[in-house]
Amino acid sequence: AQSVAQPEDQVNVAEGNPLTVKCTYSVSGNPYLFWYVQYPNRGLQFLLKYITGDNLVKGSYGFEAEFNKSQTSFHLKKPSALVSDSALYFCAVRDRRGGFQKLVFGTGTRLLVSP
Amino acid sequence: GAGVSQSPRYKVTKRGQDVALRCDPISGHVSLYWYRQALGQGPEFLTYFNYEAQQDKSGLPNDRFSAERPEGSISTLTIQRTQQEDSAVYLCASSSQTGGGGNTIYFGEGSWLTVV
Repeated sequence: AQSVAQPEDQVNVAEGNPLTVKCTYSVSGNPYLFWYVQYPNRGLQFLLKYITGDNLVKGSYGFEAEFNKSQTSFHLKKPSALVSDSALYFCAVRDRRGGFQKLVFGTGTRLLVSP
Repeated sequence: GAGVSQSPRYKVTKRGQDVALRCDPISGHVSLYWYRQALGQGPEFLTYFNYEAQQDKSGLPNDRFSAERPEGSISTLTIQRTQQEDSAVYLCASSSQTGGGGNTIYFGEGSWLTVV
């Protein structure tokens, strides 16, 4: 079965410092990977996705993610964190069983950026 | 509309009552999904529609849960005889195409259900 793991429940970083939110995946076939962000009392907002091509994917709000096939990882990164980046981040992988695309999500990582 | 619209945003209901949650997907999106998110957890798949056809309902937890999308646009998720364990955020999502291709799935704000 397709799955992703987010090993950290929470990541703490000071404003202005680089941030990394980790995600590893387990899939059969080529992985299609996604990152979403959830602000308090809000739905999920799409950040970026990896389908094919360059291993470094750029997305919304200055976020990027690096696909690493040998380490089966898709870590989310940002060079300089903002307090407003504090939110819940979800990694997801596409599951195509049944002939349609659905997303399988990780358990989420809470990012806390301190001033 | 510009995004996926869900209503009601917040619903408090008594145990044993029926609730209906509505989803209006992004205009033109043929694929529609329902997910459920328990507190502190990631979203879990409930059911999928391709146009008006419900193609997968494997994630519905039991027969108290049902969903429909009769005209291939607006969808309703109905929970009969609600129980406290049904309390969660119900997320609707849509995408522009079926099948593969890594199409982006866009989510609504969610319907926050509390069963008391």
